[in-house]
Amino acid sequence: DADVTQTPRNRITKTGKRIMLECSQTKGHDRMYWYRQDPGLGLRLIYYSFDVKDINKGEISDGYSVSRQAQAKFSLSLESAIPNQTALYFCATSDTQQERKTQYFGPGTRLLVL
Amino acid sequence: AQTVTQSQPEMSVQEAETVTLSCTYDTSESDYYLFWYKQPPSRQMILVIRQEAYKQQNATENRFSVNFQKAAKSFSLKISDSQLGDAAMYFCAYRSYTGNQFYFGTGTSLTVIP
Repeated sequence: DADVTQTPRNRITKTGKRIMLECSQTKGHDRMYWYRQDPGLGLRLIYYSFDVKDINKGEISDGYSVSRQAQAKFSLSLESAIPNQTALYFCATSDTQQERKTQYFGPGTRLLVL
Repeated sequence: AQTVTQSQPEMSVQEAETVTLSCTYDTSESDYYLFWYKQPPSRQMILVIRQEAYKQQNATENRFSVNFQKAAKSFSLKISDSQLGDAAMYFCAYRSYTGNQFYFGTGTSLTVIP
């Protein structure tokens, strides 16, 4: 079973709709992240959380919100989707106590906003 | 914020040959971690190799090795005996020792020619 899962894997929505992308992890890590990937731009950080009570904005947080429902769950919401939010979205985890500070990624969610 | 630069958007290599992917980064810190991630067509982000800046010895993982030049702020990935399964997008990433975020380059698309 995958350690970091994302649902849905693919989503098509319309401009103005609210959508939520969900991430769950079984790695027991305390830190969770949301990135978006666009061609030619690499991965850019949207939000990150170090525990349930800690939420931080990343490089491109405008138009997004997050919720850390539990240590293992971190969801990303687009309150009113727009076409330039079409992208590949990744959830990632890492652990404060982990020796080598590696991030582990989910399989990604491909989002298309029409 | 730290910046990570991958100056080669695309590279190709003959099967069984060796290829080197370049990465440079900008930082004023002395302790940090560097990573190479692979993203095959399945779009999963897979850790290939990592390097701690305080270690002088270059990291190796089977056919993958790095050339870490701390003074030059360079972190290149060498793939030996290239295989068809190595075809993917490769991302270089930086994380400071005490920092909270990972910084990714824009990626290098590697094609392996049979």
